[in-house]
Amino acid sequence: DAGVTQSPTHLIKTRGQQVTLRCSPISGHKSVSWYQQVLGQGPQFIFQYYEKEERGRGNFPDRFSARQFPNYSSELNVNALLLGDSALYLCASSFSSSTEAFFGQGTRLTVV
Amino acid sequence: AQSVTQPDIHITVSEGASLELRCNYSYGATPYLFWYVQSPGQGLQLLLKYFSGDTLVQGIKGFEAEFKRSQSSFNLRKPSVHWSDAAEYFCAVVVTTDSWGKFQFGAGTQVVVTP
Repeated sequence: DAGVTQSPTHLIKTRGQQVTLRCSPISGHKSVSWYQQVLGQGPQFIFQYYEKEERGRGNFPDRFSARQFPNYSSELNVNALLLGDSALYLCASSFSSSTEAFFGQGTRLTVV
Repeated sequence: AQSVTQPDIHITVSEGASLELRCNYSYGATPYLFWYVQSPGQGLQLLLKYFSGDTLVQGIKGFEAEFKRSQSSFNLRKPSVHWSDAAEYFCAVVVTTDSWGKFQFGAGTQVVVTP
């Protein structure tokens, strides 16, 4: 079985631009969560979606948004990029909330 | 405030020596507890988890962790470290009452293994 897949793996954007990151969960998993990991820190929770509904939001500005599609894949959008948005963005999927989560390899976003 | 603390930012250990990584949490109730490992440029791999029951939990790659309620700790151990264990280790908690799967991670401990 395929694990959690994220695309792209690496991305370079300019300040002020917009970016979309994609995540495909493990087959059968209905919950997708997004995390931001700045270099040298632990991952920080951004969003969780379950059955296409937002179930949780971390302490991130409104520039960050996400959605989940009927096939349970998800997109994370970040508008008006700042240098501080440079990070590894991780997607995690789980069958249900509060159970074992499987993480993808992440998307490395660099904002210049 | 709720928090997860990993007191050691960096640990250097010789190959074959034992390893212990510390994790303390601050929550009103016992959360679900996890240890993840991250190799450079990679995602997170689950080593082990504690939900309830036996306080000594066995995981993959020869790791184990012990939950101590009185100390609010969930320390990770390995009796004999291999060079491939060099990585960053994260302790994480899930508080299920309102979190719907929201993990809170510690800042991580970087493990360096010397020959």
